[in-house]
Parts: sequence; C-alpha cells; structure tokens
Amino acid sequence: EAQVTQNPRYLITVTGKKLTVTCSQNMNHEYMSWYRQDPGLGLRQIYYSMNVEATDKGDVPEGYKVSRKEKRNFPLILESPSPNQTSLYFCASRYTGDSTDTQYFGPGTRLTVL
Amino acid sequence: AQKITQTQPGMFVQEKEAVTLDCTYDTSDPSYGLFWYKQPSSGEMIFLIYQGSYDQQNATEGRYSLNFQKARKSANLVISASQLGDSAMYFCAILHYNFNKFYFGSGTKLNVKP
Repeated sequence: EAQVTQNPRYLITVTGKKLTVTCSQNMNHEYMSWYRQDPGLGLRQIYYSMNVEATDKGDVPEGYKVSRKEKRNFPLILESPSPNQTSLYFCASRYTGDSTDTQYFGPGTRLTVL
Repeated sequence: AQKITQTQPGMFVQEKEAVTLDCTYDTSDPSYGLFWYKQPSSGEMIFLIYQGSYDQQNATEGRYSLNFQKARKSANLVISASQLGDSAMYFCAILHYNFNKFYFGSGTKLNVKP
C-alpha cells in the first residue's frame, strides 16, 4: 500500500529537549516536504527536499533542521524545541506525472512543547 | 505577502446542492500549480484536485471541479451534489514551480446540512 508514515503520532516534551520526528514514504518520490498546521493559518511549509542530499527552506524554517540521506526518509529535527513549536506537523511526498501533480500526506504528528 | 486567500472561514450548504469555495492567489511565477485538499475532523489531508497554470480546461475529478480563471487569479472549488461526508475543512494551495515552494490558504470549513 502506497503511504507516508510518521512517528510518533503524538509527543509531549519539554523546552530544550532535542527531538526527531521521522517520515518515510514507499512510493519512490523525489520531492518530500514538512508542514506545520496552526489554527487559522492553514499549513505552512517548513522545509522541502527535491531529492537525496538536496534540501531547502520553506516559509517557516527557523528552529528546525532536516536531512535527506535516503530517498524514502525525511526526518524533522528540533534541536531545542520551544513552546511556539507546539503544532500539528505533516510530512508529505509529491508525485508528478502526465497532467497531474499531487502530494500524499502522512497522518500527522501532534507535538506539545511545555 | 500572502500567496493564497480563502475569504470564507465557514460555509453551510444543504445536502444535494452544489457549493463553491473561493480561492484567489498571488504569484509572479508564470508556471504554477493549484491544488485543493480536504481535511475531515479526523485530521488527515486528502488530495482532491489539481490544475496547472498552462492547462486550458478546468480540472474535474468526480463531483469536484476547479473553476480556473487565470486573469482573475482565482481557483474556486465547486462541489456538486453535496453529501454529509463532505463536511470538512478545505484548503487551497499553490506550488510555484520555479521555486518549488507550496503555500496554503487558511481554509474554509464546510458544513453540509441534511
């Protein structure tokens, strides 16, 4: 089954404690992306990756890091989380083909930073 | 600068009627894609429809159609014959192909009344 998986689904942590949210896709997509969703703001792109070892900043990259060492995995790293990073996070991988373009989203990770 | 505007925070529609969700966008990139996603209360993001900036015809996917008016920079979603299961948040998004960045609108919450 084609899917994007994220772990953990829920996480409560404290300010300053480094964490990683994993993301994996089994569709061999080149483009992957991380978003955060906050009430009233829609989704905002944090980082994206065009392929292995090719990452770039989205609209709100401050406080986040990513890596893309393998095509299937795109982890999101918060080196020193702060309460303003409490949010719902989505990973997505993108498929482009004849006359179509779409993103497949993971189930989301709800992060609370105390 | 805001890239995507959804002016309807909430809407009601009677079951079996058609409904139009508004979306306007701002871009100087001649090459872009427009997307609509559905987010039910369970939280997952579901791709609905895609329109490329060079596509001459409006995109359709089952009961969903995208009313693309390029000169007005609008990409409204039309849902025909609304069903109770259509009650959800709906997000419009744009992908600037020259920059490979996605921008989402703040969403429209649709309620379908029986």
